[in-house]
Amino acid sequence: DQQVKQNSPSLSVQEGRISILNCDYTNSMFDYFLWYKKYPAEGPTFLISISSIKDKNEDGRFTVFLNKSAKHLSLHIVPSQPGDSAVYFCAARGAGGSNYKLTFGKGTLLTVNP
Amino acid sequence: DAGVIQSPRHEVTEMGQEVTLRCKPISGHDYLFWYRQTMMRGLELLIYFNNNVPIDDSGMPEDRFSAKMPNASFSTLKIQPSEPRDSAVYFCASSLAGGWGGYTFGSGTRLTVV
Repeated sequence: DQQVKQNSPSLSVQEGRISILNCDYTNSMFDYFLWYKKYPAEGPTFLISISSIKDKNEDGRFTVFLNKSAKHLSLHIVPSQPGDSAVYFCAARGAGGSNYKLTFGKGTLLTVNP
Repeated sequence: DAGVIQSPRHEVTEMGQEVTLRCKPISGHDYLFWYRQTMMRGLELLIYFNNNVPIDDSGMPEDRFSAKMPNASFSTLKIQPSEPRDSAVYFCASSLAGGWGGYTFGSGTRLTVV
């Protein structure tokens, strides 16, 4: 029972273009969503997050969009750079003030070609 | 701060042997998480602690797995006896309650059971 799904195992884009990574979730109790980036032989690192009360959050080249009715979020990277090549994980946190448990998707491997 | 420190980075062991993975969280963080990453299942939460107390161990796959946090600066994940299907990358992460910016992960321990 996968509550957070990233249906695209991989994505390849040209440098300078937009990268769009998608994530779907099934648990309507999730109230906070995050994206992590992971390079080989390293742990995931936090990239950007969004609360369920918002529909967009922007940080430099990275923007996360949340569509609660569709239980869907996406990460946009504009413009994409070769250094962005990594595995991107979508994660969601359950509701409740003391619930800090994150459920992760399986990840999408992004390759940005020079 | 040196971040979350895990040891060893790589572990190769024979089936049936005991394996102990170690983690030092970021000083001051009051939550500690153990995750396992495999190709099939992605990042799975095994167990997490709050203020050194285990809160949720529902992800621990079997009785062969155990985790302890004897103090705020150290945690272990033990597998006894190990099996080939335990081969995976095991990540430790820590976080601070409140003002939530997600977890900080260690670099992981790659476990191979032959």
